[in-house]
Amino acid sequence: AQRVTQPEKLLSVFKGAPVELKCNYSYSGSPELFWYVQYSRQRLQLLLRHISRESIKGFTADLNKGETSFHLKKPFAQEEDSAMYYCALRVSGSARQLTFGSGTQLTVLP
Amino acid sequence: EPEVTQTPSHQVTQMGQEVILRCVPISNHLYFYWYRQILGQKVEFLVSFYNNEISEKSEIFDDQFSVERPDGSNFTLKIRSTKLEDSAMYFCASRETVGNTIYFGEGSWLTVV
Repeated sequence: AQRVTQPEKLLSVFKGAPVELKCNYSYSGSPELFWYVQYSRQRLQLLLRHISRESIKGFTADLNKGETSFHLKKPFAQEEDSAMYYCALRVSGSARQLTFGSGTQLTVLP
Repeated sequence: EPEVTQTPSHQVTQMGQEVILRCVPISNHLYFYWYRQILGQKVEFLVSFYNNEISEKSEIFDDQFSVERPDGSNFTLKIRSTKLEDSAMYFCASRETVGNTIYFGEGSWLTVV
């Protein structure tokens, strides 16, 4: 069965500092990984997905199949980045539903 | 930008009562999902629905749960006889047939007392 692990429940950094939110996965198939963000009292929103290899709001994430990781990084954190971040793995099959990690609450301090 | 909408945003119900949570998926989407998040825990998949039938469901989705698409726009989750442990945030989500992104609603907070 698939599994997504986010080892840090809470992460605090100062504004302007680099930030890395860790995500590791286990899945026997070919993985598709996503990062979702949830700002305070708002819905889950897709931040980025590995197949797009894009940078959204300064965030990037690289899929490392050797380490089975998909860490989220940003070189200079901003206060508005404070939110809950969820790493998710999409499984194969007709429904292609998401399996989420437990989330990391990022707080960017002024 | 089109959004998935959910009602109610918050519902308090007594244990043993039936609850229906409603969702309006994005209009051209054909795959629908329910997820739940118990306070302090991860977001968990409950069920997916396509072509008027359940396509996948998790172990959580037992006989107390059911889903329905009663008309062309609504997608409902019914909990037949609520238990205290059903207290959670329930998220509806939808996806296009060909697109990859799953879009989430804002969630419905269910509190069972």
